Amino acid sequence: GEDVEQSLFLSVREGDSSVINCTYTDSSSTYLYWYKQEPGAGLQLLTYIFSNMDMKQDQRLTVLLNKKDKHLSLRIADTQTGDSAIYFCAETQRGGSQGNLIFGKGTKLSVKP
Amino acid sequence: NAGVTQTPKFQVLKTGQSMTLQCAQDMNHEYMSWYRQDPGMGLRLIHYSVGAGITDQGEVPNGYNVSRSTTEDFPLRLLSAAPSQTSVYFCASRPHFQRTQDTQYFGPGTRLTVL
Repeated sequence: GEDVEQSLFLSVREGDSSVINCTYTDSSSTYLYWYKQEPGAGLQLLTYIFSNMDMKQDQRLTVLLNKKDKHLSLRIADTQTGDSAIYFCAETQRGGSQGNLIFGKGTKLSVKP
Repeated sequence: NAGVTQTPKFQVLKTGQSMTLQCAQDMNHEYMSWYRQDPGMGLRLIHYSVGAGITDQGEVPNGYNVSRSTTEDFPLRLLSAAPSQTSVYFCASRPHFQRTQDTQYFGPGTRLTVL
């Protein structure tokens, strides 16, 4: 079945870059996503990348996609304490349920001042 | 727009009790879904709906029922609560099931404890 894998924790210092990695299983996923969850809140869509792209940049966020290795990464430049949150990678489900999203377990990013 | 709203925010149940978690959206979205979030497990899909009158099972549907009588509302029913259903429950919506590039909006969650 589908599986989205991410490391569970990442700790960085304020001002450094953060890189959160994800591997996914379904090579037919049209889009791949990064969601952010702040403490006590629901998830918010941060960004997504179309599967025929290698890179997408949006202000401090850079998404890299390696389709051959089924590897997705999210780089946050100049990480701030406000970036402390859980970051989820997601792909679309296989087959007839392709509208559903499958989420990884989430990476908890801690930013130290 | 209020977005996706969920009630209650917190709930404590005893084993065997039943209850309904409410979810509503005011964006006229066709697609709605319920997830549960457990420590170390990420989000797992319970049930989803692609439009009024249409529901289907997700990855972990056992012990839960849903219905979709209107576009706006998508309640999740626990028929006989068990401690294994202690979790945080999130409702989400998106304009259309197939348009996965559209933003999926999440509610603030309901934290449920079953004793």
